[in-house]
Amino acid sequence: GQSLEQPSEVTAVEGAIVQINCTYQTSGFYGLSWYQQHDGGAPTFLSYNALDGLEETGRFSSFLSRSDSYGYLLLQELQMKDSASYFCAVEGLMDSNYQLIWGAGTKLIIKP
Amino acid sequence: DTEVTQTPKHLVMGMTNKKSLKCEQHMGHRAMYWYKQKAKKPPELMFVYSYEKLSINESVPSRFSPECPNSSLLNLHLHALQPEDSALYLCASSPTPDRLNEQFFGPGTRLTVL
Repeated sequence: GQSLEQPSEVTAVEGAIVQINCTYQTSGFYGLSWYQQHDGGAPTFLSYNALDGLEETGRFSSFLSRSDSYGYLLLQELQMKDSASYFCAVEGLMDSNYQLIWGAGTKLIIKP
Repeated sequence: DTEVTQTPKHLVMGMTNKKSLKCEQHMGHRAMYWYKQKAKKPPELMFVYSYEKLSINESVPSRFSPECPNSSLLNLHLHALQPEDSALYLCASSPTPDRLNEQFFGPGTRLTVL
């Protein structure tokens, strides 16, 4: 079956670094995406990895290891506004359809 | 214009009502999506339109009826809904159906069924 595992909740301190892990088991893997969603808001695309390695975009970085079926999102210099839910999502095949398969989400709580 | 708009923002309806949700994008995207999201859960795919044709229907009950009048518009017609259908309904678009990772989401419609 298809599954993505990510921690349900992570707590960190303002200014610190936090890593949110995602492991996946899917058919026809094409890439791993990360989305941010604030309470009451819509998901916003953060990053995408199709190949192994690290992608950096400002304070956010994302890593993928296809051989380990594993990726992570790294957030540096945490700010209070980074408090949100973070979803990993895999492009894969489900019921013969090519679609995004979502993890359950990680709620990031940032303390001052 | 790099956004997806959705109307209304909030909707309260009874179980016998008929209502429609509207989604619009002017980015020239040729794939559009409807998702349902319950609190503290990930978005759940309902329908996908590829080049204005319905390509995926994730076994959604017939009380939800999608429509794609043109490449910029997507509607979701609602009829005889149940209280458990109360959720955030999200519309998204991507440049082409194979560029799933580049989905832009609208702000959503918060639906309450009484």
